Order: sequence, then structure tokens, then C-alpha cells
Amino acid sequence: ELKVEQNPLFLSMQEGKNYTIYCNYSTTSDRLYWYRQDPGKSLESLFVLLSNGAVKQEGRLMASLDTKARLSTLHITAAVHDLSATYFCAVEGMNRDDKIIFGKGTRLHILP
Amino acid sequence: DTEVTQTPKHLVMGMTNKKSLKCEQHMGHRAMYWYKQKAKKPPELMFVYSYEKLSINESVPSRFSPECPNSSLLNLHLHALQPEDSALYLCASSLHWATGELFFGEGSRLTVL
Repeated sequence: ELKVEQNPLFLSMQEGKNYTIYCNYSTTSDRLYWYRQDPGKSLESLFVLLSNGAVKQEGRLMASLDTKARLSTLHITAAVHDLSATYFCAVEGMNRDDKIIFGKGTRLHILP
Repeated sequence: DTEVTQTPKHLVMGMTNKKSLKCEQHMGHRAMYWYKQKAKKPPELMFVYSYEKLSINESVPSRFSPECPNSSLLNLHLHALQPEDSALYLCASSLHWATGELFFGEGSRLTVL
């Protein structure tokens, strides 16, 4: 059974700092997604990672996937307050009918 | 059009009421989903429709009844709900079932009194 673990679950950081959110998963997969959710809002797709070594960047966020380590990272560079949100990773198993499993989410609070 | 539209945005209902949540997408996606999300938790999958057929029912109580009238529409009929059913209900779609990127609607925030 596919399990997805994110850490940290809560992160408070200063503007201008760098940090990384980790997403580990338990079974083979090469399809991983990152979503952002603002308080009271829906989920917005950030990154789609579909192969080992995939790296995607958008502004101050960069996501990568290492399928051998079963690990994805979401790196934040020079954080700004607007990036405060909850970030979820979601992993899809390799079998045809596997569901997408969400991590518990990382609540990111960036202090101005 | 890359939107998933949900109505209503907010719904307050009593435990004896019958109401429906509606979801619409015009992206040609053939898989549509209902998720339930409680505060500070990840979304929990409830139902998946693939090509208008119910593919997954995650042991959801029968007081929630999904319906997929056509490939663009998804409804969730609510009857005799409990206060613990209060949550954000998210509709999502993807190109096909088990092919990844989910596009979420804005959600319907449900309060059961």
C-alpha cells in the first residue's frame, strides 16, 4: 500500500531564507504532484513530476523527483510572505488503477 | 477553459434536508472526483467517475450519493447528513483516471446544523 510522508508538517521561517520540504513515499512511482492551498481556498497545481530526475522551477519554488530514493523535494529560495500556504505532495502508484495519495501537507508560514 | 466550476460555494443545511452539490468542467476530462477536506487535513477521496461510470467509492456512507449525468457534470446529492459531515467538498477532474494532474474546483463549504 502506497504511503506518502511529508516533513516538516509545519514550518515558520523568515523572509529571505531558503528551505526545503520533503516528500517520501513507500512504493515505486514515477508520478508525483505538488499542490498549493491557501487558507479557505482550493488546491492549485504547482508541479507535475513524471520521471526520475525531473526538475521543475517556477519563481522561487523548485521541485525535484528522485524515484530511486522515493523522494521529492520542494525548495523555496529567498522566501517571501506571499508563499505562505499549505503545500501538499501527491503520489500516484504504478499500477493502472492506483489512486493518488496525498501527504498530510506542510503548513508554511513566512514571517515578514 | 481550464476551470472546474462548483456550486454552491457555501451551503448550510439541517440534518433532515436534501441538497446537491454541482460540479462542471469543459476541458474534455474523462475522470471526475469528489474529495472531502476537513480543516488542516489533506483531501480525502470519496468517489471517482471514469467515463461517466463510478470507478471508486471509498466506503462513503449512503447519505452521500454521487451522480455523473454526462462527461462534463458531476453531482453529489446529500441527505440526512450529520454535523461531522461539515467540511469543504472539492470536485476535481483529470484527463483520464490514473493519469495524474488533478484540476480542482474552488470547493463547496458545507455546514450541517
